[in-house]
Amino acid sequence: SQQGEEDPQALSIQEGENATMNCSYKTSINNLQWYRQNSGRGLVHLILIRSNEREKHSGRLRVTLDTSKKSSSLLITASRAADTASYFCATVGTGANNLFFGTGTRLTVIP
Amino acid sequence: KAGVTQTPRYLIKTRGQQVTLSCSPISGHRSVSWYQQTPGQGLQFLFEYFSETQRNKGNFPGRFSGRQFSNSRSEMNVSTLELGDSALYLCASSWDYEKLFFGSGTQLSVL
Repeated sequence: SQQGEEDPQALSIQEGENATMNCSYKTSINNLQWYRQNSGRGLVHLILIRSNEREKHSGRLRVTLDTSKKSSSLLITASRAADTASYFCATVGTGANNLFFGTGTRLTVIP
Repeated sequence: KAGVTQTPRYLIKTRGQQVTLSCSPISGHRSVSWYQQTPGQGLQFLFEYFSETQRNKGNFPGRFSGRQFSNSRSEMNVSTLELGDSALYLCASSWDYEKLFFGSGTQLSVL
């Protein structure tokens, strides 16, 4: 399976703290993306990092990519209660044109 | 621009029946992908259509099928429903694979 795995499966933090989620994948990739899902709803694209990039920022989000270890991490700084959601990484394989999603991390931010 | 629209939002069927789900992509997007989401298996890729042609297919039995019309609207069909088909079915459209736009999903319950 090309599906990635995320770690931890669940994370609970206080508002204002930082949250870090990790993603590991199995095949060579073209790019890696992070999505957010509020309970029972569709996913929303957060950020994309290409295979030749090592780090990317967007607002309070910071993504890193280590292709040698086939892993990525998503850091959310200064978390807010509204950040409570599930976060998924997704990869586009080299030469492919479909996304495979990881298992997700359920983040709970306590006010 | 209107987002991705999926209908119906909720559906209850019994074992053995068949079901058709509909997805209207964002105007201008020619790629439509379908995913099945369950608590145990996460997000599983079903298939992807591009300009009325199935371009990619996931590892699902032949009971799962789809099609795309000339206006890019897509339908997926599940025949001979099983209890294990109960899931949130998500449709996503894109211009390329650098950002998917998801609908809110159809929650299917098979009794």
